[in-house]
Amino acid sequence: EAQVTQNPRYLITVTGKKLTVTCSQNMNHEYMSWYRQDPGLGLRQIYYSMNVEVTDKGDVPEGYKVSRKEKRNFPLILESPSPNQTSLYFCASGLSYEQYFGPGTRLTVT
Amino acid sequence: GENVEQHPSTLSVQEGDSAVIKCTYSDSASNYFPWYKQELGKRPQLIIDIRSNVGEKKDQRIAVTLNKTAKHFSLHITETQPEDSAVYFCAATPREGSYIPTFGRGTSLIVHP
Repeated sequence: EAQVTQNPRYLITVTGKKLTVTCSQNMNHEYMSWYRQDPGLGLRQIYYSMNVEVTDKGDVPEGYKVSRKEKRNFPLILESPSPNQTSLYFCASGLSYEQYFGPGTRLTVT
Repeated sequence: GENVEQHPSTLSVQEGDSAVIKCTYSDSASNYFPWYKQELGKRPQLIIDIRSNVGEKKDQRIAVTLNKTAKHFSLHITETQPEDSAVYFCAATPREGSYIPTFGRGTSLIVHP
């Protein structure tokens, strides 16, 4: 089954404790990205990757890191999470224009 | 960069009525305009899209129109049903070969039975 998976789905953590949210797709898509969704602000892009070893900043990259060592994986890293990073995070992948979203990760930073 | 404005932020209709959501964009190079539907607690999913060489596209009860001169596009849902209740996002994708969409802030559509 073609899909985008994210783990964990829910995470509660404390300020400053490094965390990684994994994203994996099995559709051989070149394009992958990360979004955060906040009430009233819609979907804002954090980082995107056009291919392996190629990443670039989106609209709200501050406080986040990504890596793309393999085509199928695109982890999101929060080196020192802060409460303002409490949000719903979506990973997405695509071959061209259409994007396929993962199920989302709800992150709470206390 | 691209800027996408979406209105209204909330839309409440009675079952059977029509619903219209409007978006404007700023980058004249944008050439692909998808609409995503996000049901409560679920991921956004593509429901319809339109490219810049087309003025209108229909798929059963939903349709999208595009006015490139005015830089705006709209989603039309006819004969709304309670299962149409969701958040709808428009997006604009600029530059051929760059699949980097900019999303609007979303419209919460509520269809009352």
